[in-house]
Amino acid sequence: GNSVTQMEGPVTLSEEAFLTINCTYTATGYPSLFWYVQYPGEGLQLLLKATKADDKGSNKGFEATYRKETTSFHLEKGSVQVSDSAVYFCALGWRFGAGTRLTVKP
Amino acid sequence: GAVVSQHPSRVICKSGTSVKIECRSLDFQATTMFWYRQFPKKSLMLMATSNEGSKATYEQGVEKDKFLINHASLTLSTLTVTSAHPEDSSFYICSANTINRVQGLYNEQFFGPGTRLTVL
Repeated sequence: GNSVTQMEGPVTLSEEAFLTINCTYTATGYPSLFWYVQYPGEGLQLLLKATKADDKGSNKGFEATYRKETTSFHLEKGSVQVSDSAVYFCALGWRFGAGTRLTVKP
Repeated sequence: GAVVSQHPSRVICKSGTSVKIECRSLDFQATTMFWYRQFPKKSLMLMATSNEGSKATYEQGVEKDKFLINHASLTLSTLTVTSAHPEDSSFYICSANTINRVQGLYNEQFFGPGTRLTVL
């Protein structure tokens, strides 16, 4: 069946550090892949998505590339900010990864 | 973007009572709604999928007689936790979109803010 495996963390970084959160998937066919973010005290919201192989989703400086050969969809940001502190979820349809809590310190 | 609301945002009840949680799509018609449960510092666990006008599809291990789901209109789905017990205490989240369960693999979901249930 379809599933995602996500690096659990927690991850603590200093401001302006580089971020990578790993996500790999197992799927039949080629469904879309998503990253959702949950800021403290708020509901989940879509951060970015990719709908087919080699697609790159990007938003707010975050990027993720749908890689079929490695069945991965890793989330990256070149320079994190304190305001990026949140929980990040990789998702394949309605299947969610474990979530990764990111804390960015000034 | 599409807005989904949940009510109540927080509820405390006594063991043995039933609690109803509402999920509404405010500015679009949601043919499919998903109900999740989120444990502290854990991921979202899909409980069931409901399509408007039909019976909900429950995930393995979820008791359908305990977690009653109704999706009577294109803008409202309800989750009723029957005979609640302390182990049912959790954060319940709904999401909605305009397509069916299969196509849901290809489209983003719009989430409600969640309902914190505490059973004493």
